[in-house]
Amino acid sequence: EPEVTQTPSHQVTQMGQEVILRCVPISNHLYFYWYRQILGQKVEFLVSFYNNEISEKSEIFDDQFSVERPDGSNFTLKIRSTKLEDSAMYFCASSPDEETQYFGPGTRLLVL
Amino acid sequence: AQSVTQPDIHITVSEGASLELRCNYSYGATPYLFWYVQSPGQGLQLLLKYFSGDTLVQGIKGFEAEFKRSQSSFNLRKPSVHWSDAAEYFCAVAPTDSWGKLQFGAGTQVVVTP
Repeated sequence: EPEVTQTPSHQVTQMGQEVILRCVPISNHLYFYWYRQILGQKVEFLVSFYNNEISEKSEIFDDQFSVERPDGSNFTLKIRSTKLEDSAMYFCASSPDEETQYFGPGTRLLVL
Repeated sequence: AQSVTQPDIHITVSEGASLELRCNYSYGATPYLFWYVQSPGQGLQLLLKYFSGDTLVQGIKGFEAEFKRSQSSFNLRKPSVHWSDAAEYFCAVAPTDSWGKLQFGAGTQVVVTP
């Protein structure tokens, strides 16, 4: 069964550094999403992406964040200058029809 | 304000016993409703969803959920749990005018004892 994959599974970075989290959505899916879960808190929506542009974004998704689908298979989340409070589990999801989202296993990001 | 509440942070259940996980929502209109499960090291797996129609929804792994409009609830049930059902369970909702923007509850951790 096709799955959403994410790399790396864990990443440690220094505050102020840029990180890129990578996702490979299910191949025939058209809608892509990023969510995050800060330890002990709820899973939060960050952004949705369709037809090579952002469909919707939350107030969390400020100018330090960007998303890209660089090559038709990967979907990336870039955090330009990481802060301590960006430490979280980041989940990628994809959907064929916007009705049902299929999630990856997550990338745990730790900012020191 | 729109919200999703899972009142139980942690539930312990014996193998073979029944399980019910509660979910309540507060939205202007009935949203789309989902239950996801997360096992350690795994992503969020969709168990079932409700958009409209029959209020009793069947899902994978023997789970079902019942939508009750009057109570703004979407509780998840399983008649007989297996040790492999130990996981964290998340209720999620999406506004009907913004399907992609899932809002999650805090999750319920289920522990299954022998």
